Amino acid sequence: GAVVSQHPSWVICKSGTSVKIECRSLDFQATTMFWYRQFPKQSLMLMATSNEGSKATYEQGVEKDKFLINHASLTLSTLTVTSAHPEDSSFYICSARQAVAKNIQYFGAGTRLSVL
Amino acid sequence: AQSVTQPDIHITVSEGASLELRCNYSYGATPYLFWYVQSPGQGLQLLLKYFSGDTLVQGIKGFEAEFKRSQSSFNLRKPSVHWSDAAEYFCAVGTGGTSYGKLTFGQGTILTVHP
Repeated sequence: GAVVSQHPSWVICKSGTSVKIECRSLDFQATTMFWYRQFPKQSLMLMATSNEGSKATYEQGVEKDKFLINHASLTLSTLTVTSAHPEDSSFYICSARQAVAKNIQYFGAGTRLSVL
Repeated sequence: AQSVTQPDIHITVSEGASLELRCNYSYGATPYLFWYVQSPGQGLQLLLKYFSGDTLVQGIKGFEAEFKRSQSSFNLRKPSVHWSDAAEYFCAVGTGGTSYGKLTFGQGTILTVHP
């Protein structure tokens, strides 16, 4: 149980285009989802927290207009990287937690974004 | 603010040898502590967690960790390492209060296993 699916696993796009990444909880309802960014050989940095039906809360230094997060249902959150540039290339990982066991996050497999 | 330090960036052990990965945390209240493992290009898998109670916790794949409040540590151990354990390991602290459930990760420790 507690499976989180992230799609796509790898995406290449041209500079200036937008890319959408999906995060789905397959067998549980995720009241909260988190989006992380991981640079090569570095740790995960929390970008934002999204609660179903409300606006995402962004960490300091994260541009909310560039990284649009939508959590419209209890099983789906999306991250859209708008007007992507090469510096946005990174590994993006989502996680989800249930209403119960709030301190446990289940992680997706990640999406590698390469912006040309 | 909370923080997590994993002093060892890279550890190499021989298969069958014992393993200890170090983790120190800084947090003003009782922490929720986690160890995750990440294989290359993959997401994170939860190995074990500590919330309260017994300070020695057992996890999956034969791993265990011991919470030592006096040392602000939560070291991960395994008595006999298998080649499949080669991966990157992250220690994390979960917070309460207004930031309930948010995780702060350490820098990670890359484990290499020699045959």
